[in-house]
Amino acid sequence: DAGVIQSPRHEVTEMGQEVTLRCKPISGHDYLFWYRQTMMRGLELLIYFNNNVPIDDSGMPEDRFSAKMPNASFSTLKIQPSEPRDSAVYFCASSLTSGGTDTQYFGPGTRLTVL
Amino acid sequence: GDSVTQMEGPVTLSEEAFLTINCTYTATGYPSLFWYVQYPGEGLQLLLKATKADDKGSNKGFEATYRKETTSFHLEKGSVQVSDSAVYFCALTRTSGTYKYIFGTGTRLKVLA
Repeated sequence: DAGVIQSPRHEVTEMGQEVTLRCKPISGHDYLFWYRQTMMRGLELLIYFNNNVPIDDSGMPEDRFSAKMPNASFSTLKIQPSEPRDSAVYFCASSLTSGGTDTQYFGPGTRLTVL
Repeated sequence: GDSVTQMEGPVTLSEEAFLTINCTYTATGYPSLFWYVQYPGEGLQLLLKATKADDKGSNKGFEATYRKETTSFHLEKGSVQVSDSAVYFCALTRTSGTYKYIFGTGTRLKVLA
């Protein structure tokens, strides 16, 4: 298996622009997670899905952030409009279940820079 | 609520030195415990895990023992290499709630040749 795939790997945009990050989870995994990593706040869970349905989006910082999972093999995280404080590395991860002993498999991340 | 506390870094060691990265947790019930590693420019990947008290997880020369009496899961390696330079995250899965993963803040390890 190719693992979790994320695109783009790097994104540089200007404040106010729309940004869309993409993720393809490992085939057969029922859970998909979006995280944000910054030096100041560490690794934060933004939202997670189970069988394409959003379960908990309490980590989404504000209404500018939205996430969708239209099918089992694709998810997007959108920021509109983007702001400099959104600069971070965004990770997508997938797992067979939401916890217990299951491993989370992380993608390589998208490094977002908002100027 | 449930939480994970790990030692602040960075930890700087010479090659072949002994490594300990401390991790303690607070949890109700009996969580599973994990160490993840993040190499530069990559996502986190599982290093080892333990699912019940007194279990020892091990991988690539790293070990950690699930100590319920001290609520700890310290990561150890007898002889580190330059290639071990990375950020290490302690994590647990809660026994209640829908989202179960809790990650620590990470400890950066730098190994010098």
